[in-house]
Amino acid sequence: QVQLQESGPGLVKPSETLSLTCTVSGGSISSYYWSWIRQPPGKGLEWIGNIYYSGSTNYNPSLKSRVTISVDTSKNQFSLKLSSVTAADTAVYYCARGGAPNVWLDPWGQGTLVTVSS
Amino acid sequence: QSVLTQPPSVSGAPGQRVTISCTGSSSNIGAGYDVHWYKQLPGTVPKLLIYGNSNRPSGVPDRFSGSKSGTSASLAITGLQAEDEADYYCQSYDSSLSGSGVFGGGTKLTVL
Repeated sequence: QVQLQESGPGLVKPSETLSLTCTVSGGSISSYYWSWIRQPPGKGLEWIGNIYYSGSTNYNPSLKSRVTISVDTSKNQFSLKLSSVTAADTAVYYCARGGAPNVWLDPWGQGTLVTVSS
Repeated sequence: QSVLTQPPSVSGAPGQRVTISCTGSSSNIGAGYDVHWYKQLPGTVPKLLIYGNSNRPSGVPDRFSGSKSGTSASLAITGLQAEDEADYYCQSYDSSLSGSGVFGGGTKLTVL
C-alpha cells in the first residue's frame, strides 16, 4: 500500500525559504495528483497546492506568490518550497495523494512540524 | 476565514445522532465539485471518512454518512460513541482564481 513521508528542516529562520520533500513508497507517483496541506498549531487545515505527476500545478491563491511545488518522478518524490516565511507559516505540513477536482486526499503522510523562528 | 463554513462545535450524548454542516458557494460545492470528509483525533493525521459526497472507504462504519445538496453538504453520525469525539473537516474544490482545494474550518464533536 502507498505510504508517504515528509522530510526537511524542522526550524526555518524568518524571511528564508521552507523546503520539504515527500517520498512516496509502495506505489508509483505517476498518474496521480499530489498535494501539500498545512495545519498551524491548534488551528484547522489549509490546502497549499497540488501537482500532477506531469508537473502541472495549482496553488492556494493566498500563498501563490510564495509557493513552488515540483515533482521528481525518477525519485518518486514531490517537493514544496515556501519563500519569505514568517511566524505565521509555523505549522505541521502534510503531504497527501489526491487533491484535484473531485479527488479526495488519501493517504496522508505523518506530517512534519516546521517552526519559523530566529 | 474558510471558504467552506462549518459550525465550530457540535455535541451529543452516546447513542444519539448528530449532523455537521458544510456550507459553500456557487464556485465550489454549488458548482458540482464533490465534498469529502476527514476525521482528526488530537495529535494524529487526518483520516478520510467520506469521499465523493456519500461514499465510505473500507473500514469506516456505516454509522457515518454524507450527503450534498445545492451549495451545502452534511455529515451525519448515528449511534454516537465516545471514540467519535474528534475534529471533522469537509473539503472540496473551488473554481475561482484558477482553482484550488478548499477546507472547512473544522468542527469539534464532543460526546457528552
